[in-house]
Amino acid sequence: NAGVMQNPRHLVRRRGQEARLRCSPMKGHSHVYWYRQLPEEGLKFMVYLQKENIIDESGMPKERFSAEFPKEGPSILRIQQVVRGDSAAYFCASSGGALAYEQYFGPGTRLTVT
Amino acid sequence: EDQVTQSPEALRLQEGESSSLNCSYTVSGLRGLFWYRQDPGKGPEFLFTLYSAGEEKEKERLKATLTKKESFLHITAPKPEDSATYLCAVLGNQFYFGTGTSLTVIP
Repeated sequence: NAGVMQNPRHLVRRRGQEARLRCSPMKGHSHVYWYRQLPEEGLKFMVYLQKENIIDESGMPKERFSAEFPKEGPSILRIQQVVRGDSAAYFCASSGGALAYEQYFGPGTRLTVT
Repeated sequence: EDQVTQSPEALRLQEGESSSLNCSYTVSGLRGLFWYRQDPGKGPEFLFTLYSAGEEKEKERLKATLTKKESFLHITAPKPEDSATYLCAVLGNQFYFGTGTSLTVIP
């Protein structure tokens, strides 16, 4: 009964490097959501994907950030040329379908930019 | 603008002292209201979904209720293991999360 998996759990990058965060949804789930959580702030929606499609990326910064969910393999959140302000916890969630609204979250990836 | 506000920000209870957490919302076309529990360093854990005003759901010591403008999470006779941050989220055009209520239950 594997839940949502994220790796790495902790990631340290220097300013200007790239960060790649991976998310494997719960078995049978085809919808993936990415959120960012800053200390003392709530979860902020970034992007919603289905297999091979970006459904809603309205919460994602226009530059440096991209996401994909290929036909095979995990969903990837990619941050290019990281800056200190990108330091946060990034959570991935999955759900079973467009009308299955309950989201199940992974343990998160804590990104630190030095 | 869609938004979710949770209160109080922090709550300390003695073991066995019942209380309620509040989630007030404004959203265009509510498609669902969700409660989650988050422990430090972990991802949110799904608790309840409520879809329409008047709906109630229960799980162990927790009971969630929904009106047209707010939801309450009632905690009956809490135990120290109920200590966590409780998050409320609403689904309109997208998911909006509140900043949570940090609950501490003292033995």
